[in-house]
Amino acid sequence: GENVEQHPSTLSVQEGDSAVIKCTYSDSASNYFPWYKQELGKRPQLIIDIRSNVGEKKDQRIAVTLNKTAKHFSLHITETQPEDSAVYFCAATFTGGFKTIFGAGTRLFVKA
Amino acid sequence: EAQVTQNPRYLITVTGKKLTVTCSQNMNHEYMSWYRQDPGLGLRQIYYSMNVEVTDKGDVPEGYKVSRKEKRNFPLILESPSPNQTSLYFCASSLGQGNGAYGYTFGSGTRLTVV
Repeated sequence: GENVEQHPSTLSVQEGDSAVIKCTYSDSASNYFPWYKQELGKRPQLIIDIRSNVGEKKDQRIAVTLNKTAKHFSLHITETQPEDSAVYFCAATFTGGFKTIFGAGTRLFVKA
Repeated sequence: EAQVTQNPRYLITVTGKKLTVTCSQNMNHEYMSWYRQDPGLGLRQIYYSMNVEVTDKGDVPEGYKVSRKEKRNFPLILESPSPNQTSLYFCASSLGQGNGAYGYTFGSGTRLTVV
């Protein structure tokens, strides 16, 4: 069935280091892959997204890469800061049923 | 301000007492959806609506109902709540999903406790 797997579930980095979160998806027809950041007690917010016709996208310290052949995509955060501490969710849109399925989330801790 | 408004923010209810969580968006989005968030399980889709009068089940629809009579509103109805529906609920909207997908704008969430 449709599935999105996300790893790791917890990630701890030192301030200034890079963080990488990886996701795999099951439906080769998926064409839209957003990433959301959820701070403690708040709603998820879209931080970056990528479509299936693009291999990489950057927005300041955040980048997302997509490997369609392997059906995986990754979030890269460079020069991490304490305010990057949050739960990050990847998601994939499944064209067959207009669903968006989320990964289980990665809790990122950035230590000052 | 463009937003998705959910009410109430917190709700404690008893098993079997019907309740409705309201959701309204002011962005003229066609697509709306309900998710529940549980620890370790991420966000799971309950129901979604591609437009007025068009709704479909997500991955965890049992025990829930929805309606989409107007474009801006998408209420979630629990006809007979049970303790396993205790969760954090989010309403979300977007310009579209499927082939023309866009990211979600989420509401502020409703924390529901069923005792």
